[in-house]
Amino acid sequence: AQSVTQLDSHVSVSEGTPVLLRCNYSSSYSPSLFWYVQHPNKGLQLLLKYTSAATLVKGINGFEAEFKKSETSFHLTKPSAHMSDAAEYFCVVSARGGSNYKLTFGKGTLLTVNP
Amino acid sequence: GAGVSQSPRYKVAKRGQDVALRCDPISGHVSLFWYQQALGQGPEFLTYFQNEAQLDKSGLPSDRFFAERPEGSVSTLKIQRTQQEDSAVYLCASSLERNQPQHFGDGTRLSIL
Repeated sequence: AQSVTQLDSHVSVSEGTPVLLRCNYSSSYSPSLFWYVQHPNKGLQLLLKYTSAATLVKGINGFEAEFKKSETSFHLTKPSAHMSDAAEYFCVVSARGGSNYKLTFGKGTLLTVNP
Repeated sequence: GAGVSQSPRYKVAKRGQDVALRCDPISGHVSLFWYQQALGQGPEFLTYFQNEAQLDKSGLPSDRFFAERPEGSVSTLKIQRTQQEDSAVYLCASSLERNQPQHFGDGTRLSIL
């Protein structure tokens, strides 16, 4: 079965500094990986999606993630944090083949941005 | 509306009561999903519909949980004889097709007293 591990439950950065949210995956096949963001009392918004076309994936709001098979990692980065980036971020892997609609979420990383 | 709409946003019920949670997907979206998000956790898959057919209900935690989508659009998640461990945020998502990006609603926060 596939799974993801988010290595930090909470990350705190200053506005204007880089953001790194870490995610490792476990999968017996080439996975589809996602990052979702959840603002307080809101639903989840898709930031970006990896489906093997390119290892560096660019998403919305200046975020990007790099798929590294050798490290089984899919870390999320942003060069400069903005106050509006404060939210919960989830790394997600989808199941294989006919069940690829089934998403498995990590436990989330809460990002705090300090002024 | 343009997005997935869920109602009510908040629901408080006493243990043992039945509750019904509604989801209005994006118009034209064939696939609909329900997730349960416990406090401090990521969402967990409950069930999946393609049009009116419930193709996967492997994530439903017990037979007290029941979901339907009779006309292939609006869906209702029903929980019978609620228990305290049912307290969670219930998220609905829809997509054009099952392997397309899922669009989430804002969720229903259910509290069982």
